[in-house]
Amino acid sequence: NAGVTQTPKFQVLKTGQSMTLQCAQDMNHEYMSWYRQDPGMGLRLIHYSVGAGITDQGEVPNGYNVSRSTTEDFPLRLLSAAPSQTSVYFCASSYSSGDRERNGYTFGSGTRLTVV
Amino acid sequence: SQQGEEDPQALSIQEGENATMNCSYKTSINNLQWYRQNSGRGLVHLILIRSNEREKHSGRLRVTLDTSKKSSSLLITASRAADTASYFCATARRGDYKLSFGAGTTVTVRA
Repeated sequence: NAGVTQTPKFQVLKTGQSMTLQCAQDMNHEYMSWYRQDPGMGLRLIHYSVGAGITDQGEVPNGYNVSRSTTEDFPLRLLSAAPSQTSVYFCASSYSSGDRERNGYTFGSGTRLTVV
Repeated sequence: SQQGEEDPQALSIQEGENATMNCSYKTSINNLQWYRQNSGRGLVHLILIRSNEREKHSGRLRVTLDTSKKSSSLLITASRAADTASYFCATARRGDYKLSFGAGTTVTVRA
């Protein structure tokens, strides 16, 4: 199993550009989420999904869109990039309920985004 | 806002020593989890402790949870150079999928 795969690993954008960060998992996890990690601030939840067709906002959703058309994929779209969105982005997935409590969350290796 | 806060922010120890870090949180939880992040990598799940548990072990890891004080500790015994990483606590509330992370403790193990 590949686990959680994020692409690209690195990206530089100009202010105002849009792009999509890809996240795919092959573990049949119902739950998927996007976090951003900034120095000294830990991880903050952007958006999450509890299954195909179901998404909801996290702690810092402004400037980002998501959709979940399949169980496997959960792309994150930056609509109009701003320097404040410079960060490392992580996708994470897990099983629902009991299995989630036993196994925790599986994280991707991250996308390092710089907006200039 | 972040639910958990780790203490200390940074820790430097000699190989073979024990490393202890603490996590405090604000609201009632269903479980508390600890994750490790090596430099430039994603987070790896280490251990989960439920709100009705007080202590849990996994290899060289020992986690305690005191729900009355809303705090947890992670002890790494007989540390190795490979334990050099950042460690994060994360809390989950009952019936909620979401995890809230603290800012992490950076541990450096000197050879």
